[in-house]
Amino acid sequence: AQSVTQLGSHVSVSEGALVLLRCNYSSSVPPYLFWYVQYPNQGLQLLLKYTTGATLVKGINGFEAEFKKSETSFHLTKPSAHMSDAAEYFCAVSEPSGSEKLVFGKGTKLTVNP
Amino acid sequence: DTAVSQTPKYLVTQMGNDKSIKCEQNLGHDTMYWYKQDSKKFLKIMFSYNNKELIINETVPNRFSPKSPDKAHLNLHINSLELGDSAVYFCASSQVRGGELFFGEGSRLTVL
Repeated sequence: AQSVTQLGSHVSVSEGALVLLRCNYSSSVPPYLFWYVQYPNQGLQLLLKYTTGATLVKGINGFEAEFKKSETSFHLTKPSAHMSDAAEYFCAVSEPSGSEKLVFGKGTKLTVNP
Repeated sequence: DTAVSQTPKYLVTQMGNDKSIKCEQNLGHDTMYWYKQDSKKFLKIMFSYNNKELIINETVPNRFSPKSPDKAHLNLHINSLELGDSAVYFCASSQVRGGELFFGEGSRLTVL
C-alpha cells in the first residue's frame, strides 16, 4: 500500500523567503503525486500534480514541485513567500494502476511572518 | 456554480443520534469519495463509489453507511453517533480513479 511522509508538521518562514515543504512517498507502482492546500475552514484545493512526463511541475500561486524517483520525493517549493500562503499543505499519492485511492500525508502548517 | 457541494456545513448533535450528510457534484465525474479529517487535520479515506457501485470501503464502523442514488450524489448516514465521530467530513469526486480530487467545503460534525 502506498504511503506519504511529510517532514515537519510546522514550517515557519519570513515573507519573501524561500518556501520548502518536504514530501516522501512509497508506492509499489508508478505513482501519481499531488499537493493540496487548505485554508482555514475551507476544503482542499489542488496546487499541482505529477502524473507522467516532465518531472518539474508548476502549479498555481507560484508553487512548483519536482518528482525525484530515485529519492522517492516530491518536495514543494516557492521562491518567495507571501502572507497569503499561510495555510495547511498536504502531499498525496495515488496508485492509478493499483489501489486507485489518494492517500494523504499528515499535512504541514505553513506560517509566514512579516 | 459550486462543483462539489455538501450539506449541511455544520452539524451539532447528541451522542446516540442518527445524522446524514449529503453531497452532490456537477462535474460529470463517475467516482465520488468520503474522507474524514480529524482534529489533527489528518485526512483518511472512508468510502469510494464509482458510478453508484461501492469500490473502496476502508475499515470504517458499520454505523457509517454511504448511499449513492446516482453517480452525481453520494450521501453519508451515521447511526448511533459517538464522541469520536466528531470531525470534518469531506466529499470529493474525480474523473478517473486515483486521479485529481475535487473537494467540497466540508461538513463539520460535532457530537456532544
